[in-house]
Formats: sequence, C-alpha cells, structure tokens
Amino acid sequence: GENVEQHPSTLSVQEGDSAVIKCTYSDSASNYFPWYKQELGKRPQLIIDIRSNVGEKKDQRIAVTLNKTAKHFSLHITETQPEDSAVYFCAAGGAGGQNFVFGPGTRLSVLP
Amino acid sequence: DGGITQSPKYLFRKEGQNVTLSCEQNLNHDAMYWYRQDPGQGLRLIYYSQIVNDFQKGDIAEGYSVSREKKESFPLTVTSAQKNPTAFYLCASSSRADQPQHFGDGTRLSIL
Repeated sequence: GENVEQHPSTLSVQEGDSAVIKCTYSDSASNYFPWYKQELGKRPQLIIDIRSNVGEKKDQRIAVTLNKTAKHFSLHITETQPEDSAVYFCAAGGAGGQNFVFGPGTRLSVLP
Repeated sequence: DGGITQSPKYLFRKEGQNVTLSCEQNLNHDAMYWYRQDPGQGLRLIYYSQIVNDFQKGDIAEGYSVSREKKESFPLTVTSAQKNPTAFYLCASSSRADQPQHFGDGTRLSIL
C-alpha cells in the first residue's frame, strides 16, 4: 500500500519568510495529492491539491509542486503570517479508487 | 464544513462500555471515513465505506465497529475491546476516493 513521509516534523519561521514542507510517497500509481491545514483542536481543512497531470499549482501565497519521477511533492507558503501557524498534512493516493494516505504532519510556527 | 455533523463533541466512556459516535453528512457523498488522532499525531484510518451497505477496515480497526445503512450516516462504535480509546475522532466524506475529503468537527473521547 501507499506510504507517505513528511519533513520536517516541526518548522519555525519568522513572519514574512517562506516555509517549505516536503513529502515523499511510495506508490507510483498515486495520482492525487491534497494538503490539509489543522489548527489546534479543529478539523483539518483542504488548502490546496494537485493531480498527477500537473507539475505545479498556485493559490495566492500557497503553492504545491509535484515531481512524479522522484515521487515527492512540496508545499510552499510565502510571506508567512501568524495565522499560518498550524499543523499541515500532506496525503497521496487515488489510484484505482484507493483512499489517500496521510503523512504524519508538520507543525508550523510563524514567529512575530 | 457545515455538511458534516459529528456528535457528541465530547464523550466519556466507562470501563467495559461500548459507545457510539455519530456522523451525518448532507453532501450526497458516496464515501465516508473514520480517523483517530492522538495528541500531536497524524490521522490514522479506522474504517471507510465507499458505498452504502459496504465498508472496509482501515489500519487500526481492532476494537471498533461501523455500519453504513444509509448514505448520509456512518456511525462508529468504540467497543470495550478497544483498551486505549482516548483520542480525537474525525469523520470525513468525499464524493469518491480520489476526491477531497471534507471533515467534521470531531468527537473527543475520554475514559472515566
């Protein structure tokens, strides 16, 4: 089955700096890669996703890149703000109707 | 998402007791999921259902049971066989396996 690794587990950045979170996956057939943000005690919420036929997708300050050959994808947050502080989860899957598997999460702290 | 309702928000279980967590969705989604989240940890899949009257075990199904008698409902029972049930339980739904999952607000279960 699919296995997703995520790094780093914690990340601290200064407000206004960029943050990058990286994930790798094991199943080359996976074709859907969502990213979720979870604030403390709240539900995870989808912030961006990408499919295997696209190499990069951007939504305002958030972008995701996908390298299918290397089986890794990354989340980029630019001009970080304190409200970006949360736990971010990547996920991979979707092949043959299979559920996607979540990574272990990255706790991002944006320091004022 | 307002489309997925989990209840109760907090639940306490006595030793040897079975408890049932409710999950209802009005998004007309075929697929529903139950995850367990321990403090500072990621999301672990307990059970999932891709269609009414059918469900499959996830990674940590032991000590849990589910039913899917209606499209909009996917209750989770935490049985007395689950010796360490204290966790945050999240229900999610999606139109199909390779589409974004929408989460409920979660139920926090503790042992009395």
